[in-house]
Amino acid sequence: DAGVIQSPRHEVTEMGQEVTLRCKPISGHNSLFWYRQTMMRGLELLIYFNNNVPIDDSGMPEDRFSAKMPNASFSTLKIQPSEPRDSAVYFCASSLGPYSNQPQHFGDGTRLSIL
Amino acid sequence: GESVGLHLPTLSVQEGDNSIINCAYSNSASDYFIWYKQESGKGPQFIIDIRSNMDKRQGQRVTVLLNKTVKHLSLQIAATQPGDSAVYFCAEILSGGSYIPTFGRGTSLIVHP
Repeated sequence: DAGVIQSPRHEVTEMGQEVTLRCKPISGHNSLFWYRQTMMRGLELLIYFNNNVPIDDSGMPEDRFSAKMPNASFSTLKIQPSEPRDSAVYFCASSLGPYSNQPQHFGDGTRLSIL
Repeated sequence: GESVGLHLPTLSVQEGDNSIINCAYSNSASDYFIWYKQESGKGPQFIIDIRSNMDKRQGQRVTVLLNKTVKHLSLQIAATQPGDSAVYFCAEILSGGSYIPTFGRGTSLIVHP
């Protein structure tokens, strides 16, 4: 079974550049989540979608971050312009729900380094 | 000043021993709990879950115990293997709320052959 697929797995770019992270959720899952993980702050929820609609983006750090979900099988997280403090591992997860007790299934993340 | 990175609690065990990883959750109203395993370079992987109407649930080599009185969750791994080495996270969910899990900071399990 295909799990959550993220691309790229690694991204290294210079500050000021636009970065786009991509996610394909598990087929049939109607909730999608973007997380950021750092040693300092652990796993932070940035935004989540239900049926392609953004429900809560209160975790998005600032206007430089934006996320879209144009259809049930694809989502993007964009950072423009990027800054060194954005360096982290970004995870996408999907689940059945959210209004049900079902576990989230995570992709293997994008390790982002902003120089 | 220089910022200090997060130091995860670490549990070191010998291969074949049983491991117990503990988690204190924050919301007494949380009623669904999940354990995740995160190996190096990978995303968190679902291990086992438990609902608040239970105090114990068993899977393959893993058991989760829930003590709602003291808001404590534990993950027991039987006959720990080197492949169990990872960071383990607990997550709590409040049904009827946002259903968004709140993750703990994690415990690093190191299994020595």
